[in-house]
Amino acid sequence: DIQMTQSPSSLSASVGDRVTITCRASQSISSYLNWYQQKPGKAPKLLIYAASSLQSGVPSRFSGSGSGTDFTLTISSLQPEDFATYYCHQSYTTPYTFGQGTKLDIK
Amino acid sequence: QVHLQESGPGLVKPSETLSLTCIVSGGSISSYYWSWIRQPPGKGLEWIGYIYYSGSTNYNPSLKSRVTISVDTSKNQFSLRLSSVTAADTAVYYCAGLNYTDYAFDMWGQGTMVTVSS
Repeated sequence: DIQMTQSPSSLSASVGDRVTITCRASQSISSYLNWYQQKPGKAPKLLIYAASSLQSGVPSRFSGSGSGTDFTLTISSLQPEDFATYYCHQSYTTPYTFGQGTKLDIK
Repeated sequence: QVHLQESGPGLVKPSETLSLTCIVSGGSISSYYWSWIRQPPGKGLEWIGYIYYSGSTNYNPSLKSRVTISVDTSKNQFSLRLSSVTAADTAVYYCAGLNYTDYAFDMWGQGTMVTVSS
C-alpha cells in the first residue's frame, strides 16, 4: 500500500494567516493527489483534485501544488470557516489511501 | 445535484454481518465508481472498496475476505456487506462517488455510525 504522511498533524493559526500543509507519498503517485476538508460530524468535502485543480465552488484562497511524492495545500488567508481537519488522498492505485489528517484550529 | 444517502442498522453484534445501502438520487449510477469509506471515532479515513455500475469491484486487501459490495441499477443504489464484525469495525461509514475523470471523491453521503457491540 502507498503510505501518505501529512505534516503537521495539528496546527494553530489565526484568521488572516497563510497556512501550508504538506503530504508525502511513500512512492511516486504522479499528480493523483486530492485534498479534502472535514468539519466535526460532517462528511469530507473535496477541495483540490489532481494535485492543483480547484474543485468547483471552493474559494480561491485554497491552492494545491506538487507532483511525484511531495505535495502541499495552501490557504492564503485563513477565514473562520476554514478551521477543520484536512486530509490528503492518493488515487494513483488501489487500495486508495489517505493521510492521517491535519487538524487546523484557532490560535 | 446528485445526493447520496446511507441507511442501515446502527448497532451490529460481534461476529454478525454489517449491511448498509446507499441510495443515489438526482443522477445516474453509471457515472462514477461507487465507494464505501469508513472512519473510526476520532481517527482517519479508510477506503473499503468500490463498485462500478457494471458490477466490477475492487476491495481493500485488508478487508477483502470479509467485504462484498453490490449494485442494483434498477433502484439506483449500491450496498456494503461486512462479515464477522468486531469492535474494530465500529466507525462512521460513508458512501462516496469517485469521479473517474478526476479520480477524486467529489460526492459523499452524510455518513452513518455503526457500532459493533453485544
